[in-house]
Parts: sequence; C-alpha cells; structure tokens
Amino acid sequence: QKEVEQNSGPLSVPEGAIASLNCTYSDRGSQSFFWYRQYSGKSPELIMSIYSNGDKEDGRFTAQLNKASQYVSLLIRDSQPSDSATYLCAVTSGAGSYQLTFGKGTKLSVIP
Amino acid sequence: DTAVSQTPKYLVTQMGNDKSIKCEQNLGHDTMYWYKQDSKKFLKIMFSYNNKELIINETVPNRFSPKSPDKAHLNLHINSLELGDSAVYFCASSPVRGSYNEQFFGPGTRLTVL
Repeated sequence: QKEVEQNSGPLSVPEGAIASLNCTYSDRGSQSFFWYRQYSGKSPELIMSIYSNGDKEDGRFTAQLNKASQYVSLLIRDSQPSDSATYLCAVTSGAGSYQLTFGKGTKLSVIP
Repeated sequence: DTAVSQTPKYLVTQMGNDKSIKCEQNLGHDTMYWYKQDSKKFLKIMFSYNNKELIINETVPNRFSPKSPDKAHLNLHINSLELGDSAVYFCASSPVRGSYNEQFFGPGTRLTVL
C-alpha cells in the first residue's frame, strides 16, 4: 500500500520564523510531489510542486525533495498568521499515473 | 471566472435517499476526479475520468456512481445514502496526462446524512 506520512501537528511557530513541514513516502517509483494548503472549511489549494531532487523556491515557500531518502519538505520563511492552515503533502504514484496519494496533513499555527 | 465549480455546496438529506453532486471545470482540463474528505480530514481518491473514460475506480461502495457527460463535467450520484457517507466531497481537475499531475480542486460539497 502506497503511503504518505506527515506529522499531524499542530506545529506552532512565532510570526516571522521559518516553518518546516516534512513528508515521507513509501513508493520509490513516485515522480511528482505537491504541497497543498487547506484553510478550515475550504478546499485544498496547490502551492508548490516539485519533480526533481533539490530545492524549488517560490516567494516565501521552498520545497525540498530527496528521492533517495523518500523525503519531501516545505519551508515557509517569514511565517505570517495567514499561513495558519493544514498543509497536505501529495505524491503521484509512479510514471504516467493520474493518482495522487495524500498525507493526512500537518496543521500549522503561526502565533502573532 | 476560470475554475472548478460544484453544486450544491451543502446537502442535508435523510438515510436511504438518492442524491447527486455536480462538478464543472472551465479550465480546459482533460482529467477530473472525485475525492472524499472524512471527519478526520483525510483526503481519498474515489474516481477519475480522462476524456469521459473512467481511469481510476477505487474501492468504494457501488452505491456511488460517477458520470461524465463530457470532459468538462463529472457528476457523482449516490444511492441509498448511509450515515457513513457524511463527508466533504471534492471535485478536482488536472491539465496534463502523466507525471505532471497538478490537480485543482473545487470548493467542495458538504454532505450530511441524518
């Protein structure tokens, strides 16, 4: 069974700090990796995608991928109270796959 | 607005009833999905259609039947509703076949079965 594991949190960080969210996955054939943000009562919103090893930066967000360790992370710099949400890690199940497997999410709370 | 839209947003019904949820996307995407998010917030794929063809059919009760009249629409019909069907159902779509499977979600339909 393909699994995506995340620490459920809550992860509390002070405003202005770096929030670090982690995700591990079980399927070595996974090729595409995504981070979604979900505010309470809202739908998941795609914030980052990463397909190759290394770092990918977009504004205050950096996604990091290490396929050898089967590990993907999301760093949020200069965290703001508006970043408080649940962050879902999602992984495509191999080449040519349509199927995303989601982790259970990490709840982030940014304290003013 | 270009988006994935769902109707209704809220659905409250009695056990045993039959109900449908509709989804439309105007993003020009080829692939559409139904997900269920339970009370513990776990998001799980139910079905996927690519150009009106069923490509993912996870283990869900056969009381759930998806229908795709065209590639912009994917509806979900649920027969004989049960208490355990209460959840938020999300429709999603993605533009590209294969690895680069960025999926975009609709606003969700909160189903409550009494």
